[in-house]
Amino acid sequence: EVQLVESGGSLVQPGMSLRLSCAASGFTFDDYAMHWVRQAPGKGLEWVSGISWNSGSIDYAVSVKGRFTISRDNAKNSLYLQMNSLRAEDTALYYCAKDIRCSTISCSDAFDIWGQGTMVTVSS
Amino acid sequence: QSVLTQPPSVSGAPGQRVTISCTGSSSNIGAGYDVHWYQHLPGTVPKLLIYGNSNRPSGVPDRFSGSKSGTSASLAITGLQAEDEADYYCQSYDSSLSGSRVFGGGTKLTVL
Repeated sequence: EVQLVESGGSLVQPGMSLRLSCAASGFTFDDYAMHWVRQAPGKGLEWVSGISWNSGSIDYAVSVKGRFTISRDNAKNSLYLQMNSLRAEDTALYYCAKDIRCSTISCSDAFDIWGQGTMVTVSS
Repeated sequence: QSVLTQPPSVSGAPGQRVTISCTGSSSNIGAGYDVHWYQHLPGTVPKLLIYGNSNRPSGVPDRFSGSKSGTSASLAITGLQAEDEADYYCQSYDSSLSGSRVFGGGTKLTVL
């Protein structure tokens, strides 16, 4: 079964750091670009970051650039998101998502597989 | 402010046809990049509904269809059913400095 399982979400204070993980199974992980997408409470979906199959291409939304770092370990079939200098506006459900066919991020591709999400709450 | 603009809400009676628009610009839809659509029910994972402007993944009913023209795209739902009540999002690629993948703000479909 094709599956993505996120973990690492929690309640943290503003300015703190958090690392999210996403474990992939059921498909050849290093064939595809991977992404993080978030949804703040009561808001819409927001693309956060993407990484190509070999980590050679990485991109971020303007809202997180300079604070978040995406990475992957193909040997462990895992995707990560290191979040530093967290702000209240980063509070959201964070999903990891797989491209339907692309291995690079410079590709107008759809997300065909989504994890269940992990909740990050930034509050004092 | 989303890069792709969708109406906040649409509604229709069971059996009717509704359309949801997604308006972009010359750096995304107008540049020829594909548009994709997702259905998101509360408490569930977003589901890919249409990819590559008009293609349906396996298992998606043919009541759902997508189209694209110029700087806009549309999702059409025919034979509206109560279970279609959900949030719908369009998504594409943007070549500007705003980041590569972009979503519309979402449209809440209410089945009357």
